[in-house]
Amino acid sequence: KAGVTQTPRYLIKTRGQQVTLSCSPISGHRSVSWYQQTPGQGLQFLFEYFSETQRNKGNFPGRFSGRQFSNSRSEMNVSTLELGDSALYLCASSPPLFDYQETQYFGPGTRLLVL
Amino acid sequence: QQQVKQSPQSLIVQKGGIPIINCAYENTAFDYFPWYQQFPGKGPALLIAIRPDVSEKKEGRFTISFNKSAKQFSLHIMDSQPGDSATYFCAASIGSSNTGKLIFGQGTTLQVKP
Repeated sequence: KAGVTQTPRYLIKTRGQQVTLSCSPISGHRSVSWYQQTPGQGLQFLFEYFSETQRNKGNFPGRFSGRQFSNSRSEMNVSTLELGDSALYLCASSPPLFDYQETQYFGPGTRLLVL
Repeated sequence: QQQVKQSPQSLIVQKGGIPIINCAYENTAFDYFPWYQQFPGKGPALLIAIRPDVSEKKEGRFTISFNKSAKQFSLHIMDSQPGDSATYFCAASIGSSNTGKLIFGQGTTLQVKP
């Protein structure tokens, strides 16, 4: 089956702008999680959506938000961009029921550069 | 208490060597410990995962060892190959809560020399 897809793959924005990233999970997966990956901080959990509801949230400012649609596709939005928001943003989807052998499939990420 | 500490930060081995990557955690509620492999320009890919009621798990050339009392787990790559050169991340979560929140280690960049 098709993997997790993320669009766009690359994005350049300037400080103060806002950005919306999109994620389409694996068919049948209802949980979508977002992570920020930077060289300094590594992989950090942003938030998770399940059945259109935010189920879990990491320690990021309110400028970072997300949503999930009825078809499980998810978007994340970052408002008032800062230079430090430059990162690889990864989306991961999970099957409906937790399975130790099959969980958290990651997409290729969106590389965001803030100038 | 939510941290997962991973070491070493980087590792260079010769082909055929057995690189070992170690991780330690504090939160005893963690019950799911996956390892991810990431190549440049790609997202992390699940390599192997273990539960705390198992002390060792092997999948092909990859082995996880788990020490519950020490709150440590490690990844061993047997007969390492140049194609194994990648960044490896350990992670932990409360899997039984069925949430997607993974806490990742800082990553280990592995280089396997031919």
